[in-house]
Amino acid sequence: DQQVKQNSPSLSVQEGRISILNCDYTNSMFDYFLWYKKYPAEGPTFLISISSIKDKNEDGRFTVFLNKSAKHLSLHIVPSQPGDSAVYFCAASARGTSYDKVIFGPGTSLSVIP
Amino acid sequence: DAGVIQSPRHEVTEMGQEVTLRCKPISGHDYLFWYRQTMMRGLELLIYFNNNVPIDDSGMPEDRFSAKMPNASFSTLKIQPSEPRDSAVYFCASSLRGGYGYTFGSGTRLTVV
Repeated sequence: DQQVKQNSPSLSVQEGRISILNCDYTNSMFDYFLWYKKYPAEGPTFLISISSIKDKNEDGRFTVFLNKSAKHLSLHIVPSQPGDSAVYFCAASARGTSYDKVIFGPGTSLSVIP
Repeated sequence: DAGVIQSPRHEVTEMGQEVTLRCKPISGHDYLFWYRQTMMRGLELLIYFNNNVPIDDSGMPEDRFSAKMPNASFSTLKIQPSEPRDSAVYFCASSLRGGYGYTFGSGTRLTVV
């Protein structure tokens, strides 16, 4: 059973508009959440993260929101650019436990249309 | 640092053959992870090591898969015998601390025909 879910396999957005990628998780032990970005023929690269003690973290055009009660997080990209077209993986971990590994969701493929 | 280095980048092999994938983690990283990416399951954790010791291999799909880390700078993932359903991109990643995120290699695209 998937512990990290991304229910939208793909998303298309116009350049300049906002992209919102969603993620849900089931394991209440998770206390650290990450987003990775992956271009074709490359490995995933770290984008942004958030600890469970926060509900928002911002880095330039990228903002991650966390709703612990709903076990939901989202990544906002504003404004979207064609270079943002990639697969985005949501991920989670339970730090400081024996479960010290990162679990990834299946990914959402974002296409930003010029 | 050159990052996490995986070899080969591409591997095409016939069903039944042995396949060995290789990984050199970032120097000083204590954790090493092997992931497999497929369309159906996304990024799936196969096994991870801490200080060269296998910690969790519950994601290894079958006995045909094995992984070793003989020293801090080298790991292998072996499939013997290989099957067409093993075709996927295999990623190696390393980190200083397990749950804080990783640096990934560029992956090995395996095709078993």
